[in-house]
Amino acid sequence: GAVVSQHPSWVICKSGTSVKIECRSLDFQATTMFWYRQFPKQSLMLMATSNEGSKATYEQGVEKDKFLINHASLTLSTLTVTSAHPEDSSFYICSARSGEVGNSPLHFGNGTRLTVT
Amino acid sequence: QKEVEQDPGPLSVPEGAIVSLNCTYSNSAFQYFMWYRQYSRKGPELLMYTYSSGNKEDGRFTAQVDKSSKYISLFIRDSQPSDSATYLCALHSSGTYKYIFGTGTRLKVLA
Repeated sequence: GAVVSQHPSWVICKSGTSVKIECRSLDFQATTMFWYRQFPKQSLMLMATSNEGSKATYEQGVEKDKFLINHASLTLSTLTVTSAHPEDSSFYICSARSGEVGNSPLHFGNGTRLTVT
Repeated sequence: QKEVEQDPGPLSVPEGAIVSLNCTYSNSAFQYFMWYRQYSRKGPELLMYTYSSGNKEDGRFTAQVDKSSKYISLFIRDSQPSDSATYLCALHSSGTYKYIFGTGTRLKVLA
């Protein structure tokens, strides 16, 4: 149980275009999902917390207008990288909590490798 | 001081060895502890989830928590080359939405 599906697994786009990444909880409802960015050989960097039916909470230094997050249902959150530039190339990973706060671990998608040319 | 400290490695061991991976943390408010395994270019996979001091065993994996010392460990018995990955510890406290991750320890099990 507690499967998180992330799509696409990799994407290449041209500079200036936008890319949408989907994160779905397949067998549970997730009121909260988290979006992380990971650089090579580094740990996870939390970008934002996605809350169903409300605005996302962004971490300090993360541009909310560049990284648009929508959590329209209890099983789907999307991250859109707008006007992508080569410096946005990275590994993006979503995760979801399968239960109540403080009472459940995070489950991760398999990540999306974004390359901006 | 970082909230959680984890040796980045790399750690190389021969096949069949017992592996010990560790994290220390500074905030006694942390109550929930997780270990994840992450293969290259994949998302982290949950291995163990504990919330009390003591040991929890699952197959070849044992998670150990010592809240008095603020120290958590993951032991891997009979290590296999397929265990070669990065292992991340994670901590969480009740009532907050954030999970704190260690930097990860890269493990290589040599055949």
